[in-house]
Amino acid sequence: GAGVSQSPSNKVTEKGKDVELRCDPISGHTALYWYRQSLGQGLEFLIYFQGNSAPDKSGLPSDRFSAERTGGSVSTLTIQRTQQEDSAVYLCASSLGGGLSYEQYFGPGTRLTVT
Amino acid sequence: AQRVTQPEKLLSVFKGAPVELKCNYSYSGSPELFWYVQYSRQRLQLLLRHISRESIKGFTADLNKGETSFHLKKPFAQEEDSAMYYCALSGRAAGNKLTFGGGTRVLVKP
Repeated sequence: GAGVSQSPSNKVTEKGKDVELRCDPISGHTALYWYRQSLGQGLEFLIYFQGNSAPDKSGLPSDRFSAERTGGSVSTLTIQRTQQEDSAVYLCASSLGGGLSYEQYFGPGTRLTVT
Repeated sequence: AQRVTQPEKLLSVFKGAPVELKCNYSYSGSPELFWYVQYSRQRLQLLLRHISRESIKGFTADLNKGETSFHLKKPFAQEEDSAMYYCALSGRAAGNKLTFGGGTRVLVKP
């Protein structure tokens, strides 16, 4: 079946602009995660959605970052007033449940470049 | 706070030679340890997890709680093993999210 998909695959934006990154999880997966992969910081957790529970936002680096998940499926990560240090690959993952026994399946990522 | 350390950024070995990727962690509680792999132009994927105690593609990893390590080993490296490898940790205290190490690039030369 279809895996996790993300769009766009590449995004170039000017400093100060807002961007939206989209994630379509695997159908039926209740848990959804956003991670960021950058040169200086490696792979870092951003935010986690599980079912109807309040999201775990503990990894968001600043209040310019926000995410929502509509209808328990598609998620959008929004970065406001982008800065050059936001340049990274943003990865989305989904899993069948939120427990540790469930494998996280990753999308191909969105490469964000802030000029 | 949890932390995962992969001391080697690059490992270069010849085909048929053994390869060992080091991973050390710190975590308060009972951790779940994973190895993820990213082949060129492919997405990140799970290679193995310690609770499964299985060998995948000839790779094994043993959780050593005394040394807080989860090293990945393969006795005979193949060219198709060339990839980026990430050690990751999770657990109930971590809210089920993954904490990754910095990654080790493995290059298997013919």
